[in-house]
Order: sequence, then C-alpha cells, then structure tokens
Amino acid sequence: AQKVTQAQTEISVVEKEDVTLDCVYETRDTTYYLFWYKQPPSGELVFLIRRNSFDEQNEISGRYSWNFQKSTSSFNFTITASQVVDSAVYFCALSEAKNGNNRLAFGKGNQVVVIP
Amino acid sequence: DVKVTQSSRYLVKRTGEKVFLECVQDMDHENMFWYRQDPGLGLRLIYFSYDVKMKEKGDIPEGYSVSREKKERFSLILESASTNQTSMYLCASSRSRFSEQFFGPGTRLTVL
Repeated sequence: AQKVTQAQTEISVVEKEDVTLDCVYETRDTTYYLFWYKQPPSGELVFLIRRNSFDEQNEISGRYSWNFQKSTSSFNFTITASQVVDSAVYFCALSEAKNGNNRLAFGKGNQVVVIP
Repeated sequence: DVKVTQSSRYLVKRTGEKVFLECVQDMDHENMFWYRQDPGLGLRLIYFSYDVKMKEKGDIPEGYSVSREKKERFSLILESASTNQTSMYLCASSRSRFSEQFFGPGTRLTVL
C-alpha cells in the first residue's frame, strides 16, 4: 500500500497565483517525520522542510507554507504568489520511527508549471 | 553546506558491462542511500548504509550491489548492466536517524 499519496500529477498556474499541493500519508506509527523536497529541471532534489509528528504547528518560510493536520493525515504545501522559478517537481516523503534507519517513503510527486 | 557529489552526470554503457556509480559526501554523515527515479514510479530505494561496511537492501535491490569502505563514499555497482536499468540514479546522505536527506545531482545512466 502506498504510504504517501500526492494525487495531483501536474498542476499549471499562472504566475502570481497561489498553488497548494496535497500530501496524504499513511502510518500506524505514533512517531514519524514528514518532508517536502523540490526537484527543479536540473534534477537535484532540494530539501524544503522536515516536520515531526508531535509538532502540528503550521510553518511559513517566505512564500512557502505548510499545513500539517494529523486528524486527516495530511501535510499540504502552499506556494503563494507563484513565480516561474517555482516550476519543479515537488515530493512529499514520510519516515517512520519504527524503521529506525531513516528510510524515506516518497510520494510520486507533483509537477508544478508556472506560466509567465 | 552539505555537499553530495556523484561521479558522473551522464553515463552510457552497454548491456553486460559492470558499472560503478560513485557518491561522496563531505559532512561526516552516518547514513547514505541510493535511489533510482523513473517516470511515473517516483523515487525507489535500492540500498542504504548506516555505517561503514554496513548495508541494507531497499525496495528494489535486485541487479545491484553496494560498497561502503569509507564513511564518506558509497558506491553502487551494476554487476551486469541491463537495459531495464536505464534510469536516473540519485545518491543521498543524512546525519542521523530521522534527519533530512541531502541529495546529489544525479547520474543519468543509459544502458544500450
């Protein structure tokens, strides 16, 4: 069973629009970690955020914000006022404490295309 | 800044060849990982290592082996390359359990 689901395969937005990427995860562990990564056309995955299961505070970093809701097992990512440089594939990932070894389960990714 | 480097950005090999993909990290990280990325399949873990000379199979280890003789270096070996191993290979490292992974630029391998 897929542990991390990113339902929207490709999302196109016009520059300056907001875009929200949904991430739904599945785990029976009470301690886990969630991550978001960005993969621009150059190919290198760039770490964006890490959140542990005990910290449900939302986070904002510049134009990026994350909404973590344990009740719905979701960790959604919003880009405000999108720019062309935001065009990339974005991956959500889950690490479960029971694994004890930092294995990540990745979602299939969201391709974001920002149209100038 | 953490730096993860991979020996080649692009590589073309022939079926049956032995292929070595090298990964080096410069931040004294404990854990290192090899993934392959294919369209529609996302990132899949091949092997990982949490210490020198230690390795564990990931989700798709068949056809691959790894070597970690030094803490900073993690090699992925294709013993006899096949066309279905044509893919993007990504190396990553992390400081400790549950910390974020840092990725290298990737190697796009084509097996003819």
